[in-house]
Amino acid sequence: SAVISQKPSRDICQRGTSLTIQCQVDSQVTMMFWYRQQPGQSLTLIATANQGSEATYESGFVIDKFPISRPNLTFSTLTVSNMSPEDSSIYLCSVASGGGGTDTQYFGPGTRLTVL
Amino acid sequence: TQLLEQSPQFLSIQEGENLTVYCNSSSVFSSLQWYRQEPGEGPVLLVTVVTGGEVKKLKRLTFQFGDARKDSSLHITAAQPGDTGLYLCAGEPGTYKYIFGTGTRLKVLA
Repeated sequence: SAVISQKPSRDICQRGTSLTIQCQVDSQVTMMFWYRQQPGQSLTLIATANQGSEATYESGFVIDKFPISRPNLTFSTLTVSNMSPEDSSIYLCSVASGGGGTDTQYFGPGTRLTVL
Repeated sequence: TQLLEQSPQFLSIQEGENLTVYCNSSSVFSSLQWYRQEPGEGPVLLVTVVTGGEVKKLKRLTFQFGDARKDSSLHITAAQPGDTGLYLCAGEPGTYKYIFGTGTRLKVLA
């Protein structure tokens, strides 16, 4: 299993500012994922972050708005840029272990972001 | 676009009742997972099903993967207040990306 921590756990930010969320894993993993979960909703994949390459973004998400870093196999950051109230969500990082259809996905506790 | 629709969206039942949650898609998945999420926490994996028609049991929870690997169900027997939470199915179409279902919010009343 993998233990994942996120910082900050929550934050309240002003419109137009940026927030960087950190994700730390207790073991080396190839693939890390960033999700957004809006209030009362399910999870939407923002991007896949692999070490040594640029993040791959899903439809509707762009690098300028959600820049991601993946400097090593245990750490990643997601920045929410030029925030607006619509960005208020829980942001979750996750890692996958295994492969070939038997992946187990572990999630961090999430970062609850409120934009005023 | 691959979608996973869950039903029901909300469910409030009395302790001791049985319930079934459905997860349906028009797409085929190489595996499908069920998660439970409690407030303030990330989703926690309950089970992974891989083979069409597969049935897995986890205490009072029974999970089934459809024969065509497009749908799944979660059945809870004799629900308890501790089962309360958001249940999410997630399908992996073979690309290491997980597509999450719309979610079922369950509340079990004592």
